[in-house]
Amino acid sequence: EAEVAQSPRYKITEKSQAVAFWCDPISGHATLYWYRQILGQGPELLVQFQDESVVDDSQLPKDRFSAERLKGVDSTLKIQPAELGDSAMYLCASSLGDRFRSASTDTQYFGPGTRLTVL
Amino acid sequence: ELKVEQNPLFLSMQEGKNYTIYCNYSTTSDRLYWYRQDPGKSLESLFVLLSNGAVKQEGRLMASLDTKARLSTLHITAAVHDLSATYFCAVSGGSNYKLTFGKGTLLTVNP
Repeated sequence: EAEVAQSPRYKITEKSQAVAFWCDPISGHATLYWYRQILGQGPELLVQFQDESVVDDSQLPKDRFSAERLKGVDSTLKIQPAELGDSAMYLCASSLGDRFRSASTDTQYFGPGTRLTVL
Repeated sequence: ELKVEQNPLFLSMQEGKNYTIYCNYSTTSDRLYWYRQDPGKSLESLFVLLSNGAVKQEGRLMASLDTKARLSTLHITAAVHDLSATYFCAVSGGSNYKLTFGKGTLLTVNP
């Protein structure tokens, strides 16, 4: 069964350092999402890509976070510099995308996540 | 701004009992999702509900949607320990069909 892949699974860093997370969506999925999930909360969307274009980054702290999906397939989320408050689970999800919009194609499938701890 | 509220946030129940988790949302939406998350794990899709009166069932879980009341319920029948997890509802809204999640309901089923 196809899955969303993410790496690393765990990352410990010191504040002010740079970190990067990688996501490989399910093959053929045009839409890719990055979420941040703070312990005890629901996921919050950081950025949404349709192919290689950003369609929503309204909740992305752009002074320190950046995201790219250069070839419309895999994606990288970067934080520089990391702050203590960035400690969270970073989840990547993908879906077929809205040009095929239906209940099944809209469903977002989540990767295993990257647990970030900033010391 | 779309807001999603779940209650209860914590639910401890005995095996064999029934209970319902509620999900209210603030603005019109065309679909609602339920996800399950085990501790330290990612989210697993359970149900997608599209229309008023939609009902879906899988095993001991049944989800329903009332779009007029902006309310979805997740009903648990004869709970078993394996159902212990956090359950999230998420509502799709906006021009990019962005998902807004509730805070989740931590369900613990005790023997």
